[in-house]
Amino acid sequence: GENVEQHPSTLSVQEGDSAVIKCTYSDSASNYFPWYKQELGKRPQLIIDIRSNVGEKKDQRIAVTLNKTAKHFSLHITETQPEDSAVYFCAASMGNYGQNFVFGPGTRLSVLP
Amino acid sequence: GAVVSQHPSRVICKSGTSVKIECRSLDFQATTMFWYRQFPKQSLMLMATSNEGSKATYEQGVEKDKFLINHASLTLSTLTVTSAHPEDSSFYICSARDLAGNSPLHFGNGTRLTVT
Repeated sequence: GENVEQHPSTLSVQEGDSAVIKCTYSDSASNYFPWYKQELGKRPQLIIDIRSNVGEKKDQRIAVTLNKTAKHFSLHITETQPEDSAVYFCAASMGNYGQNFVFGPGTRLSVLP
Repeated sequence: GAVVSQHPSRVICKSGTSVKIECRSLDFQATTMFWYRQFPKQSLMLMATSNEGSKATYEQGVEKDKFLINHASLTLSTLTVTSAHPEDSSFYICSARDLAGNSPLHFGNGTRLTVT
């Protein structure tokens, strides 16, 4: 089955700096890659996603890149703010509707003021 | 956007009792809902896939007789933790997807279960 690895497990950056979180997946059939942000005790919230027919997607300060050949995708957050502090999970899924989600272990991001 | 409601948000129960958690899709129909368990500082672990009108599909290592899932309608799935024990204490989160719109996975608020 699919296996998703995520690095780093913890990341601290100064406010205003950029943060990059990387994930790798094992199953080349995976075709949908969402990123979720989870604040303590709350539900995971989708922040950005990318499909396998696209190499990069950007939404304001957040961007995701996908390398299908290498089977890895990355989350980029620019101009980080304290409210970006949370746990971020990547996921990979396959199938027409992306039902079989496999989540990475998560990255705890701390943005220091 | 798609909203998933989960109740209760917190529950404390005694060892040996059963607890039911509800997951509702409020503005869309979900033929499939997913139940996850999350231990502190860990990732989301899929427990089972709940299918409307049929039996749930459980992940390896998840006891189907202990974690009863019922998906009786297109907007409601329930997870019942039977004969709960302290080791069942965890954060349980449901999720659903609007298959009609091919949309991303949306999560409920989660249920913090504490078994004393």
